[in-house]
Amino acid sequence: SQTIHQWPATLVQPVGSPLSLECTVEGTSNPNLYWYRQAAGRGLQLLFYSVGIGQISSEVPQNLSASRPQDRQFILSSKKLLLSDSGFYLCAWGTGGSGNTIYFGEGSWLTVV
Amino acid sequence: AQSVTQLDSHVSVSEGTPVLLRCNYSSSYSPSLFWYVQHPNKGLQLLLKYTSAATLVKGINGFEAEFKKSETSFHLTKPSAHMSDAAEYFCVVSVLSGNTGKLIFGQGTTLQVKP
Repeated sequence: SQTIHQWPATLVQPVGSPLSLECTVEGTSNPNLYWYRQAAGRGLQLLFYSVGIGQISSEVPQNLSASRPQDRQFILSSKKLLLSDSGFYLCAWGTGGSGNTIYFGEGSWLTVV
Repeated sequence: AQSVTQLDSHVSVSEGTPVLLRCNYSSSYSPSLFWYVQHPNKGLQLLLKYTSAATLVKGINGFEAEFKKSETSFHLTKPSAHMSDAAEYFCVVSVLSGNTGKLIFGQGTTLQVKP
């Protein structure tokens, strides 16, 4: 069966410091991969998605970037964090297509102080 | 453009009573619709999905949802609420963009279950 792992689970970082959140998927090959952000009291916002190694699509302009160095690895990064980057970040995977189901990791809480 | 609207930001029920969480969608073609549940500080778990098969979809934990095209609705129901059902619920529509399906989330409904 497929599993998705995301880490770290919680992170407290000062403003201006770098960020790296990592996500890996097991039990499937060539998945679509996604990064979502959930700000406090709000719904989920799609940040990035990837349909293959090195292929990254950005949904919104922001202070973050994503990379996919391997088929089942998806990394969310920032060179300099802003206070507004605080939130709950969720990695997810899916098989593609309009009806594909997307499965989520456990999420990472980021607090920028 | 595709979108979803969850009509209630907060729903409170007593344990053992029915649950109704309302969702309306907007889609230019036959949509794929989902309900996800999120317990505090956790990731999202798929409850059920509709992909143009049976209009009444049964999910996990006793939840079900009915797709009504004439009303553009996909309401989530459960006959009898349990304390463990207290969580945030998201109605979601899938949008095809190139080769990938992206999910558009509603703003969420917080379900409170009182003893």
